[in-house]
Amino acid sequence: GEDVEQSLFLSVREGDSSVINCTYTDSSSTYLYWYKQEPGAGLQLLTYIFSNMDMKQDQRLTVLLNKKDKHLSLRIADTQTGDSAIYFCAEKNRDSSASKIIFGSGTRLSIRP
Amino acid sequence: ETGVTQSPTHLIKTRGQQVTLRCSSQSGHNTVSWYQQALGQGPQFIFQYYREEENGRGNFPPRFSGLQFPNYSSELNVNALELDDSALYLCASSWETGTNYGYTFGSGTRLTVV
Repeated sequence: GEDVEQSLFLSVREGDSSVINCTYTDSSSTYLYWYKQEPGAGLQLLTYIFSNMDMKQDQRLTVLLNKKDKHLSLRIADTQTGDSAIYFCAEKNRDSSASKIIFGSGTRLSIRP
Repeated sequence: ETGVTQSPTHLIKTRGQQVTLRCSSQSGHNTVSWYQQALGQGPQFIFQYYREEENGRGNFPPRFSGLQFPNYSSELNVNALELDDSALYLCASSWETGTNYGYTFGSGTRLTVV
């Protein structure tokens, strides 16, 4: 089955780390993604991880993948006000010949001063 | 290199009407996917077009249809609009169907059905 779940809200203090968690069900997923959506905007690909990797780091972003538990997390170090947005966890699913991306419902990250 | 552009940005239609949304894919991309994002939800896959043919479809009724043109731009058509069709419609382009790097998304068309 196809299902991606994530918590709806996260509030962190400016300068702290944010950790957004996600679980997925499709064990055949090859790539997992984190997208960012700011108000009124489309989706921006933040980072992705291949399913045979455990961790990927890209500047302030760290992605951890636990394939056994089908758990994905995104850590944002030194969270800034510009990080306020909705973050979507997503998996790549191949259905017949189409590669489609299955999204979670998004986690709204808010930053406290 | 231009990104994905969608038009119009906002649209209001009456229940029962038909609507056409347009998408220009990023330069060099030959695959276009359409997603529907209802308020407070993640995007849902509608269908994908590759080399001018539908290449996969999500759980949407036949009144959702599309086209892809030789220049890889695309249209999404929705007939007999219902109130629940109100959503942000996102177009995403990629090079080939099996891209590993996700898609490049446009900013979307916000459709309101009244």
